[in-house]
Amino acid sequence: AAGVIQSPRHLIKEKRETATLKCYPIPRHDTVYWYQQGPGQDPQFLISFYEKMQSDKGSIPDRFSAQQFSDYHSELNMSSLELGDSALYFCASSLGPGLEYTDTQYFGPGTRLTVL
Amino acid sequence: GESVGLHLPTLSVQEGDNSIINCAYSNSASDYFIWYKQESGKGPQFIIDIRSNMDKRQGQRVTVLLNKTVKHLSLQIAATQPGDSAVYFCAENTNSGYALNFGKGTSLLVTP
Repeated sequence: AAGVIQSPRHLIKEKRETATLKCYPIPRHDTVYWYQQGPGQDPQFLISFYEKMQSDKGSIPDRFSAQQFSDYHSELNMSSLELGDSALYFCASSLGPGLEYTDTQYFGPGTRLTVL
Repeated sequence: GESVGLHLPTLSVQEGDNSIINCAYSNSASDYFIWYKQESGKGPQFIIDIRSNMDKRQGQRVTVLLNKTVKHLSLQIAATQPGDSAVYFCAENTNSGYALNFGKGTSLLVTP
């Protein structure tokens, strides 16, 4: 079965540079989520999109922005990178919220961002 | 949730034994719970989920128990295998919500 695709898998940037992470959801999934995971920590929710509109926002820094495109893929744009931004960034996708239930989120393999 | 650093609780079991991983949650409004398995350098992998209208759900070799009274969730793995070695996270959500709130991971180590 097709899974969530993330690119790039690894990214090395200098402080104050910008980075763009891409996420391609499972086919027919219309909702994407972004999470950040530091070493030894649990994933922290950043932001989500449903049908190309922002649906929820978590602890996403103002330096970061994201969007979902017409083909449902999503991009996370990170500017003025700081050392503390070094982490694994996961994208997850699901079918959108139904009348009653939130659907299961399936995670991609992640992008490992290293800021030097 | 808040993170406490690099040291995860660790559960060490022998191959073939049953494993029980526990999780406490704090949000009384949570009504959807999921267990994920995460291997080193990989994304969380869905194992099993349960809605708040149930207190037990079984999958292949795994069982999730939900006690809403004490806000406790557990994952039972039968006949644990070396391939089960990973970090296990519980996560919670509301039926109308988007963001998953992850609990602290538990590192499961299966020894031969």
